[in-house]
Amino acid sequence: GENVEQHPSTLSVQEGDSAVIKCTYSDSASNYFPWYKQELGKGPQLIIDIRSNVGEKKDQRIAVTLNKTAKHFSLHITETQPEDSAVYFCAASNNAGGTSYGKLTFGQGTILTVHP
Amino acid sequence: DSGVTQTPKHLITATGQRVTLRCSPRSGDLSVYWYQQSLDQGLQFLIQYYNGEERAKGNILERFSAQQFPDLHSELNLSSLELGDSALYFCASSVGVQGSTEAFFGQGTRLTVV
Repeated sequence: GENVEQHPSTLSVQEGDSAVIKCTYSDSASNYFPWYKQELGKGPQLIIDIRSNVGEKKDQRIAVTLNKTAKHFSLHITETQPEDSAVYFCAASNNAGGTSYGKLTFGQGTILTVHP
Repeated sequence: DSGVTQTPKHLITATGQRVTLRCSPRSGDLSVYWYQQSLDQGLQFLIQYYNGEERAKGNILERFSAQQFPDLHSELNLSSLELGDSALYFCASSVGVQGSTEAFFGQGTRLTVV
């Protein structure tokens, strides 16, 4: 089955700096890669996603890049703010069909702390 | 607010007991997923239902079972509970058809087994 590795496990930055979180996946059939933000006491919130036919996607201060050949994808947050502090999870899924499309395999999570 | 509702938010029970967690998916979503989140295992997929039928199973224990009802809400039943079952249990929903992929999570149920 799919295996997703996420690094780093913790990341501390100053407000205004950029933050980068990287993930690798093992199953070449995976074609959908969402990122989730989880704040304390809340469920994971979808913040951005990318599909395998796209190399990069941007939404305001966050962007995601995908390298299918190397099987890795990254989350980039620019101009970080204290409210960006949370746990971030990457995930991979095969949504091309079959019996289990939509099932997400998650990375281990990154605790991002943005210092004012 | 994701639109996915989970009840109860917190549950404290004793070892050996049985509990039922409930999930109402977003309006229009046919697929429901259950995930377990623990400190040592992270977010682990348990089981998926699509329009009332089981679609996929993860590392779900035999003591755990789930179902999705005609109104599309889902229940996760945990029996013969052990201390190690203490975790956050999340439900997520999506439209569930091929090519439509975004999954939205509820706020979770925190289960504590004492």
